[in-house]
Amino acid sequence: DVKVTQSSRYLVKRTGEKVFLECVQDMDHENMFWYRQDPGLGLRLIYFSYDVKMKEKGDIPEGYSVSREKKERFSLILESASTNQTSMYLCASSYDTDTQYFGPGTRLTVL
Amino acid sequence: GENVEQHPSTLSVQEGDSAVIKCTYSDSASNYFPWYKQELGKRPQLIIDIRSNVGEKKDQRIAVTLNKTAKHFSLHITETQPEDSAVYFCAAAKTSYDKVIFGPGTSLSVIP
Repeated sequence: DVKVTQSSRYLVKRTGEKVFLECVQDMDHENMFWYRQDPGLGLRLIYFSYDVKMKEKGDIPEGYSVSREKKERFSLILESASTNQTSMYLCASSYDTDTQYFGPGTRLTVL
Repeated sequence: GENVEQHPSTLSVQEGDSAVIKCTYSDSASNYFPWYKQELGKRPQLIIDIRSNVGEKKDQRIAVTLNKTAKHFSLHITETQPEDSAVYFCAAAKTSYDKVIFGPGTSLSVIP
């Protein structure tokens, strides 16, 4: 059974803190993605990766960075969290251009 | 880059009626068009997809149509049921190693 997990379901951080969100998939997928979901704006792509150590900017990469040291793990980093980064963060993985399997999401609140 | 628009943003139908959600895309090179359903508090899940070499695809009560010339595609749900209530996202993508761009979503409510 397909499985994508995220390190936290809920997270509360303070402005200026460094935040790590981790995503792990067990399907040997090449592609992994980070989205943020905000009401009325849908799923907006932050970064994606199609191979280990490879990364590509999505539509809203500002304020974020990513790391993919191993195929199964894709991390999203907020170097200095700000209140406008309060959102639901969804990770996904896929094999080629195919079905994306989403994680359960991390609801991040930045105070 | 690719831009995907989706209409309507909210849709309310009586149980048993049909629901139609329409999307347009901007990049003529896109050739993969999936639809995802997200129930309240849950993760998005693929419900149907279509590739550019096909004009229509059906799976029980749901169907998707694609018009490549006009660059639009639609989701059709027939005989709607309360469990169809969810947010539906359309998306577009090109071939391998490219990003999938999602529309803003349609919140569908099926009234019993």
